Amino acid sequence: DTEVTQTPKHLVMGMTNKKSLKCEQHMGHRAMYWYKQKAKKPPELMFVYSYEKLSINESVPSRFSPECPNSSLLNLHLHALQPEDSALYLCASSQEAALEARHTGELFFGEGSRLTVL
Amino acid sequence: AQSVTQLGSHVSVSEGALVLLRCNYSSSVPPYLFWYVQYPNQGLQLLLKYTTGATLVKGINGFEAEFNKSQTSFHLRKPSVHISDTAEYFCAVSVRAGTALIFGKGTTLSVSS
Repeated sequence: DTEVTQTPKHLVMGMTNKKSLKCEQHMGHRAMYWYKQKAKKPPELMFVYSYEKLSINESVPSRFSPECPNSSLLNLHLHALQPEDSALYLCASSQEAALEARHTGELFFGEGSRLTVL
Repeated sequence: AQSVTQLGSHVSVSEGALVLLRCNYSSSVPPYLFWYVQYPNQGLQLLLKYTTGATLVKGINGFEAEFNKSQTSFHLRKPSVHISDTAEYFCAVSVRAGTALIFGKGTTLSVSS
């Protein structure tokens, strides 16, 4: 069983809708991540939060807006998306923050939220 | 900059066969190396990792990998695969603090009966 929980598992939305993806971890991890994965492709990093602060933003369009309300929760707010944004969105966490020297890079992934934009 | 190359986008084997999935990395400093597995419609699960120490690393589900510094490789091996091993396998590298994982393009493993 994964210890990173993502909701919803499936989401269908129109291009004018506003929706949110949610992620929760209770492992005491200090960093949380959003990845986007298209079919048969590796995950692509979108955002990294370390100690609840945004530390990496991989030039993601503003129609994706991350939020980290506390150390256990991570949201991804979606607005005015395009059909090409349809993908599996994966949340992950790591024990150490990405900027810490002992950070090994090991990530714990949730099962993902599959988004379809019509 | 670091990078990961997985040789072979698709590997097909029969149940009970030995399987070898190849991964080569590029890094100017000692890397941390990972293999993740992704079953259909699921997230990524860590199979095994190399950070320091013994170069032969054993993971879950009977998989193992060997870190070879001279050949800059971290190939994944399983002596006898099962149909349930059918999945996508990703090799990943991390080299220092402040960076996130770099994934290879993935290898699809298909195991038939």
